[in-house]
Amino acid sequence: DGGITQSPKYLFRKEGQNVTLSCEQNLNHDAMYWYRQDPGQGLRLIYYSQIVNDFQKGDIAEGYSVSREKKESFPLTVTSAQKNPTAFYLCASTPLHSGGAGELFFGEGSRLTVL
Amino acid sequence: AQTVTQSQPEMSVQEAETVTLSCTYDTSENNYYLFWYKQPPSRQMILVIRQEAYKQQNATENRFSVNFQKAAKSFSLKISDSQLGDTAMYFCAFMKRNYGGSQGNLIFGKGTKLSVKP
Repeated sequence: DGGITQSPKYLFRKEGQNVTLSCEQNLNHDAMYWYRQDPGQGLRLIYYSQIVNDFQKGDIAEGYSVSREKKESFPLTVTSAQKNPTAFYLCASTPLHSGGAGELFFGEGSRLTVL
Repeated sequence: AQTVTQSQPEMSVQEAETVTLSCTYDTSENNYYLFWYKQPPSRQMILVIRQEAYKQQNATENRFSVNFQKAAKSFSLKISDSQLGDTAMYFCAFMKRNYGGSQGNLIFGKGTKLSVKP
């Protein structure tokens, strides 16, 4: 089935460790996004990429890094510089030039907890 | 910069009743999309309904409909005949439509937690 796969679903990290969250899509979508969700905050954009080998910072990029080496993959690394990384992370994608649809498709999310 | 405001952090409704969730947004753009997304306890974000700003007719999807007031920058969601499965967080979202038809980034409100009571 076509869709977006995020892994792992749950992840625990010790302070000072980097962790990488995986996001893979087989929808042939051009653009991919990472959002962070905290209680009472809604979703906030971390990074996005509209084309392979190119990405832009969102509103809360500090302490995070991404890569887009393949169209279908957009991993997010939470570095030790991120002061409060415990959150729910959502990956999304869209065809970009969709002729007007505008819809983002989401993965099931990854829950990161810092111990 | 665009902002999206949902003024109701929590709401509840009896099963089979109708409920309206409010959303206002601020933008200087004329060409954009508005969305309502649902996030049930499973945390999967699901598109409920979409409205294109240039369309005056309000979007409808089965029991879900919107009241889009472009001049007032208001985009409320009405759920008719509420069902227990409608219990979820509901997020209003804005996306600028770029020149050439491509999309900008999705900007979310903080959400409204809806509880449907039996």
